[in-house]
Amino acid sequence: DAMVIQNPRYQVTQFGKPVTLSCSQTLNHNVMYWYQQKSSQAPKLLFHYYDKDFNNEADTPDNFQSRRPNTSFCFLDIRSPGLGDAAMYLCATSSYNQPQHFGDGTRLSIL
Amino acid sequence: AQKITQTQPGMFVQEKEAVTLDCTYDTSDQSYGLFWYKQPSSGEMIFLIYQGSYDEQNATEGRYSLNFQKARKSANLVISASQLGDSAMYFCAMREGHRDGGATNKLIFGTGTLLAVQP
Repeated sequence: DAMVIQNPRYQVTQFGKPVTLSCSQTLNHNVMYWYQQKSSQAPKLLFHYYDKDFNNEADTPDNFQSRRPNTSFCFLDIRSPGLGDAAMYLCATSSYNQPQHFGDGTRLSIL
Repeated sequence: AQKITQTQPGMFVQEKEAVTLDCTYDTSDQSYGLFWYKQPSSGEMIFLIYQGSYDEQNATEGRYSLNFQKARKSANLVISASQLGDSAMYFCAMREGHRDGGATNKLIFGTGTLLAVQP
């Protein structure tokens, strides 16, 4: 089945230690998104790619970076994670003007 | 500014009964899209149903239907014959309009409604 896959499902890292979360898709969608979701809150968009065009949200901290080497893959890099970055990170994909399809998410913990 | 409002932080429903989750929206765009997503405790976001602003009929997908009242700017989700597996957080969302016209790819989410289905 075509899908959005996020790895790993759970990630534990140390305060200040860089971490990378990955997302892949078999839907061949041209738009990919990264969201941060904290407990009992709605997802918050960090950035999205429209094809290779990177679109950063104005309030996304510089600590968060993203890479999209090809249509299928997108990575979220957190350069120096702080305790406040502990959250669920959701990847989603869509074709233009179509519903977004989400992966299962990566739950990030910071020690 | 565009906004989605979900006024019910939590809802209870008996198994096999119907339940309505409220969603109101605010936009000045003529063309927009409304979505409902389900998020179980495991965390994945599951797309349920979509309603376009120009769709004349209410959207339906199996046990899910969307009660779209354009004049009132509401897009309530109706779940018929509730099942225990329906217990989850439900988010209403709207596709953000572009200031230059047309649609962006971005979603504006409401704060969610936590639904608990009781046996």
